[in-house]
Amino acid sequence: DAKTTQPNSMESNEEEPVHLPCNHSTISGTDYIHWYRQLPSQGPEYVIHGLTSNVNNRMASLAIAEDRKSSTLILHRATLRDAAVYYCILYSGGSNYKLTFGKGTLLTVNP
Amino acid sequence: NAGVMQNPRHLVRRRGQEARLRCSPMKGHSHVYWYRQLPEEGLKFMVYLQKENIIDESGMPKERFSAEFPKEGPSILRIQQVVRGDSAAYFCASSPTGGAWKQPQHFGDGTRLSIL
Repeated sequence: DAKTTQPNSMESNEEEPVHLPCNHSTISGTDYIHWYRQLPSQGPEYVIHGLTSNVNNRMASLAIAEDRKSSTLILHRATLRDAAVYYCILYSGGSNYKLTFGKGTLLTVNP
Repeated sequence: NAGVMQNPRHLVRRRGQEARLRCSPMKGHSHVYWYRQLPEEGLKFMVYLQKENIIDESGMPKERFSAEFPKEGPSILRIQQVVRGDSAAYFCASSPTGGAWKQPQHFGDGTRLSIL
C-alpha cells in the first residue's frame, strides 16, 4: 500500500483555519485520498475524499497538489469539537476495501 | 440514529472466557468490516464480510478469532479463550457496496474489551 506521512501533532486556536498536510509521494494514478478523523472514545468518522480535483463538503475542504504527491485538509473555522486525530489514507492495489490507518495527526484546538 | 450500532460498548472477560461482539450495519449496508485498535496504536483491519460470506480475513489472528455475518441479524466477532493481549477497542464499519475507494466506510463507536 502507498504510504502517507503526516505530522504527529498540530495546534490551532478556535475559529481560526487549520491546514493539515499529508505527503504521499508514492501515490499511484488510481489511488483515492481519503481523510477520516477519530474523536476521543469514538470510532473513526469520514471527513472527505478526492482523486485529482479539490473537493469541498460541509465539514472541510481537500486541496490536492497538481502532481498528487501531497494534499491538505482544510478546516475553515476550527471548533473545540474538531479536536481529534486526523488520518490521511490512500487506497491502492487489490485491497481496495481496507482502510490502512497510520498514526495520523493529533489536532489540539485552543479556546 | 441509523448509524452503525455496536454492543456492548464495554465488555469485561476473564482469561479463558469467550467474548462476543455484535455489529449492526447501517440500514441498506451489506458490507461489514472489523478493525482492532490496540492501546496507543492505530486501527488495524481484521476481516471483511458480506452477507453470509467472508471475503477477506487476512487480518484475523489464526487462532481463537472468528467472524460471521448471517443472512438475518448482526455481524458477530467471536474471540475464544481470551488472553490479556486481546484487550483492545474493536470497531465495526459498514458500506453499501464493496468499492470503498470511492465511498466512505461508516464506523460504530466500538466495543472496548478488557481482559482480567
